[in-house]
Amino acid sequence: QVQLVQSGAEVKKPGASVKVSCKASGYTFTSYGISWVRQAPGQGLEWMGWISAYNGNTNYAQKLQGRVTMTTDTSTSTAYMELRSLRSDDTAVYYCARGSTVTTSDYWGQGTLVTVSS
Amino acid sequence: QSALTQPASVSGSPGQSITISCTGTSSDVGGYNYVSWYQQHPGKAPKLMIYDVSNRPSGVSNRFSGSKSGNTASLTISGLQAEDEADYYCSSYTSSSTYVVFGGGTKLTVL
Repeated sequence: QVQLVQSGAEVKKPGASVKVSCKASGYTFTSYGISWVRQAPGQGLEWMGWISAYNGNTNYAQKLQGRVTMTTDTSTSTAYMELRSLRSDDTAVYYCARGSTVTTSDYWGQGTLVTVSS
Repeated sequence: QSALTQPASVSGSPGQSITISCTGTSSDVGGYNYVSWYQQHPGKAPKLMIYDVSNRPSGVSNRFSGSKSGNTASLTISGLQAEDEADYYCSSYTSSSTYVVFGGGTKLTVL
């Protein structure tokens, strides 16, 4: 069965970076992309970007351009999302999701809480 | 402020039908057939319920249906059940450099 297992919770100071991993299993990793979506406490969903696991092409949300990098390691079927220059309003649960397209995320990871606090 | 507008809350009794709207513009909902709907229970990851306006993934109950008219997409849940109580989010492709936008979410209460 399709599974996406994310890395554990992180606590970071403002200005630091965080890298969240998402290990996929149960399907051919390179046949799909991976989307990243975050959710601040008590708030709605925010799309961060998408990466093709086939060729590494990326699409990032404009507001995160320059601060976010999404990558994949096809040898381990793992996707990564790095966010730099963290601010308090980056505190959120970060989700990875399998996406056949940029707009369709059919299987989701369990989420990773990233807390940014001094 | 979310790019897509959803009602903050809707409610219905078991067995009834409800509809959740998702209003955008011609640059997103109205311009493309790439609207998805997600269900999220408290403390859980979202679950895909509808994609490409009206398609149901395998395993999703046929009580869930999607449609679109102009710049407004809709999710209809028929035969409401207690387990349907959750937050629902719409999303759409957008021609802006953001690519994908979400609605603010709608809390469904089953009375």
